[in-house]
Amino acid sequence: GQQLNQSPQSMFIQEGEDVSMNCTSSSIFNTWLWYKQDPGEGPVLLIALYKAGELTSNGRLTAQFGITRKDSFLNISASIPSDVGIYFCATSGTYKYIFGTGTRLKVLA
Amino acid sequence: NAGVTQTPKFQVLKTGQSMTLQCAQDMNHNSMYWYRQDPGMGLRLIYYSASEGTTDKGEVPNGYNVSRLNKREFSLRLESAAPSQTSVYFCASSEGTYGSYEQYFGPGTRLTVT
Repeated sequence: GQQLNQSPQSMFIQEGEDVSMNCTSSSIFNTWLWYKQDPGEGPVLLIALYKAGELTSNGRLTAQFGITRKDSFLNISASIPSDVGIYFCATSGTYKYIFGTGTRLKVLA
Repeated sequence: NAGVTQTPKFQVLKTGQSMTLQCAQDMNHNSMYWYRQDPGMGLRLIYYSASEGTTDKGEVPNGYNVSRLNKREFSLRLESAAPSQTSVYFCASSEGTYGSYEQYFGPGTRLTVT
């Protein structure tokens, strides 16, 4: 079936550092979504991308829709402790939405 | 405006017991979804309802049934719970099913089957 591969699986960073993560697929998609899940909560939508090459920001977060339409990137600048959580990429596919396995972020103060 | 609400938040069942997970949304969304989340597996779609009166199987439907009671409510039923169904269950809704519609998630139900 269709799969989204996220990397890295987990990362520890120091407060104030920038973070980069990505999501890749062997299939072409028309939508890329990035969600964050806090411990014990449901995923919350951070950024939605609808066009190849699109670059969109939401505060300290910036995401890009890859030109090949097979990947997307999420960057977090100047990380803070509340950035801890799991970041999921998602897109639409055969079952309407497909989610990656997540990048677990831990921020060291 | 509560968004997507789910009940209960936690549940422990014995193997073979049945239960229904409830979900409601107040955003007037057409589409609703049930996912399960297991460690290291991300979110997997169990069932979805593109619109009121319709339901379809997702990636992992075995052992589950759903009911789209009205536009607001979408319930998930486990007829005979098994330990393999121990998971966190999330309900979600979106304006539509196809194309570029963002999903909004509830807080989850943490289910343990012993």
